Amino acid sequence: SQQGEEDPQALSIQEGENATMNCSYKTSINNLQWYRQNSGRGLVHLILIRSNEREKHSGRLRVTLDTSKKSSSLLITASRAADTASYFCATPQNNQGGKLIFGQGTELSVKP
Amino acid sequence: KAGVTQTPRYLIKTRGQQVTLSCSPISGHRSVSWYQQTPGQGLQFLFEYFSETQRNKGNFPGRFSGRQFSNSRSEMNVSTLELGDSALYLCASNLLTGGLTDTQYFGPGTRLTVL
Repeated sequence: SQQGEEDPQALSIQEGENATMNCSYKTSINNLQWYRQNSGRGLVHLILIRSNEREKHSGRLRVTLDTSKKSSSLLITASRAADTASYFCATPQNNQGGKLIFGQGTELSVKP
Repeated sequence: KAGVTQTPRYLIKTRGQQVTLSCSPISGHRSVSWYQQTPGQGLQFLFEYFSETQRNKGNFPGRFSGRQFSNSRSEMNVSTLELGDSALYLCASNLLTGGLTDTQYFGPGTRLTVL
């Protein structure tokens, strides 16, 4: 079963605009991770936020976590065409790091 | 450091056949996890191996099996293939020092098509 629900399912923006994706989850978590996948290829780890953190930055990425609402958001600022990809949130299930439960993903399209 | 490698990258099989996929983790990583990705079901966890032992298993039928060798390389096998097994199979390796913050590093995947 999927742990996370993501919205929107698809997002289309122009280069230079910001993109925000949201993820909700069901059970308590130790951490939440965001991954990117380019068209049917492997996933690339973007950022991890621990349950005791509220916000984290990495380059143009900003992730927030609200454990009271069981939700997280990923913001990509000043988007580029190369950011076009699917983005997934994932959480380790049963406090076991080797088993990630993924959301359905958000398909981001950045038009030049 | 070399990344996670998966072979083969593409595979076409017919119903009823069996298939073996291979995954070589990043050097030093002892945990290998397998995931199935389909348009309908998304990314679903298959199983995880650590030190040659299966630590976790997802909700897949017994036709899906795996193993891990002493050098941490892993294989997964699907027997009696069905059309619904067509998917991208992803392998991920993890240093798994015991902390839940360990990142999973994914390979490029094996695209399996069952005809």
